[in-house]
Amino acid sequence: QVQLQESGPGLVKPSETLSLTCTVSGGSISNYYWSWIRQVPGRGLEYIGYVYHNGNTDYNPSLESRVTISVDTSKNQFSLKLRSVTAADTAVYYCARSMLVMQWLDYWGQGTLVTGSS
Amino acid sequence: DIQMTQSPSTLSASVGERVTITCRASQSISSWLAWYQQKAGKAPKLLIYDASTLESGVPSRFSGSGSGTEFTLTISSLQPDDFATYYCQQYNGYSTFGQGTRLDIK
Repeated sequence: QVQLQESGPGLVKPSETLSLTCTVSGGSISNYYWSWIRQVPGRGLEYIGYVYHNGNTDYNPSLESRVTISVDTSKNQFSLKLRSVTAADTAVYYCARSMLVMQWLDYWGQGTLVTGSS
Repeated sequence: DIQMTQSPSTLSASVGERVTITCRASQSISSWLAWYQQKAGKAPKLLIYDASTLESGVPSRFSGSGSGTEFTLTISSLQPDDFATYYCQQYNGYSTFGQGTRLDIK
C-alpha cells in the first residue's frame, strides 16, 4: 500500500521560505506524477504544482514565481519550496500522487499545517 | 483558469436518503472530472474519476455522471459514514477544484 508523509516546519516567518518534503513508501516514485495541494483552513483546495520522476515540473500560474518543486528518486522523496511567505500562505499542505499529468489524485498524504507568522 | 462551481454549498439529509451534488465547469472539460470525500482533519479520498468511474474499494452507492460542463455525484442511500465534505476536481488542462459541498445530518 502506497503511503505519503509530509514533513517540515509548522511555522514560517513572513518573507522566509516554506520547505516541505513528502516521503513515499510502499512503492516507487518512478513513473508517477507527484503533486502539492494546499487548503486554507475552512476553505477549498488549491493545486500548487507537480513534479515527474524525471524532474519535469509545472506550477499553478498564480504561485509560479514563488514555487519550486523537486524530486529525489534515491530517497523516494519530493519537495516543495515556497518563497516570500505571507500570512495568506497559511494552509494545510498535502502531497499526492497521480499516474498521469494533471489527472485524478489517488493517494494523498495526511497533510501538514504550515502557519506564516512571526 | 477553469472555474468549478458546486451546488449546494451545504446539504442536510437523513440516513437512507438519496442525495445529489452538482458541479459545473466554466467551460467544457469533456469527462475529465473527479470527486473526493473529505472528513474533518483528513486528506481527501478519491471516489470517482473520469466523471463516472468508481475508484476501487468505494461503495457502489456512490455514482457519478455528466460530461461537458455539468456533472453530478449521487449517493443512492446515505450511510452514517457519508457525512463529510465533497469536492469536484477538473483535470482538463490545469487542475482546479470546486469550493466543496458539506453534507450534514438532518
